[in-house]
Amino acid sequence: DQQVKQNSPSLSVQEGRISILNCDYTNSMFDYFLWYKKYPAEGPTFLISISSIKDKNEDGRFTVFLNKSAKHLSLHIVPSQPGDSAVYFCAASNSGGFKTIFGAGTRLFVKA
Amino acid sequence: ETGVTQTPRHLVMGMTNKKSLKCEQHLGHNAMYWYKQSAKKPLELMFVYSLEERVENNSVPSRFSPECPNSSHLFLHLHTLQPEDSALYLCASSQDGVAAARDTQYFGPGTRLTVL
Repeated sequence: DQQVKQNSPSLSVQEGRISILNCDYTNSMFDYFLWYKKYPAEGPTFLISISSIKDKNEDGRFTVFLNKSAKHLSLHIVPSQPGDSAVYFCAASNSGGFKTIFGAGTRLFVKA
Repeated sequence: ETGVTQTPRHLVMGMTNKKSLKCEQHLGHNAMYWYKQSAKKPLELMFVYSLEERVENNSVPSRFSPECPNSSHLFLHLHTLQPEDSALYLCASSQDGVAAARDTQYFGPGTRLTVL
């Protein structure tokens, strides 16, 4: 049973518009959440994170929202750019452990 | 070299072969990880080493054998693999071996393994 789920395998967005990538989790013990981006032939790279004590974290064009009651987080990219086309992985962990649990990823296509 | 490097980038092996994957991190980190990524599946954590000691073995079959001779190097020894073991194997490292769950992980480019 997957503890971190990204139900949309792919998403297509027009350049300049907002991209919203969603992630759901089942384990209420998770208290730290991350988004990674992966280009073909490269390893995932860290994008942005959020602690469970917050409900929003913003870094430039990227904002992550956390809804603990719904066990849901989302990544907003605005404005989207063609260079944002990649696979985005949602990940979650809990303090004191060594495990970070990843979702299956969402492939984002940003059309010029 | 900077970051996390992995060799080889591609590997094709038969079920009776023995091969090894190598990972090296140039970041001065204390924790290193092996992940398996199969098509359309989440990254699966295989092993975690913190300060050169294995702290996590995620029910991985014994045909996969990790080795961490020092904090900069991590190996994954492979023997008698099955075709279903074909996947992308990713190595990662993070700064703090004690609180690794909250650390940003830095990934290598991966080794694409095909088992015939």
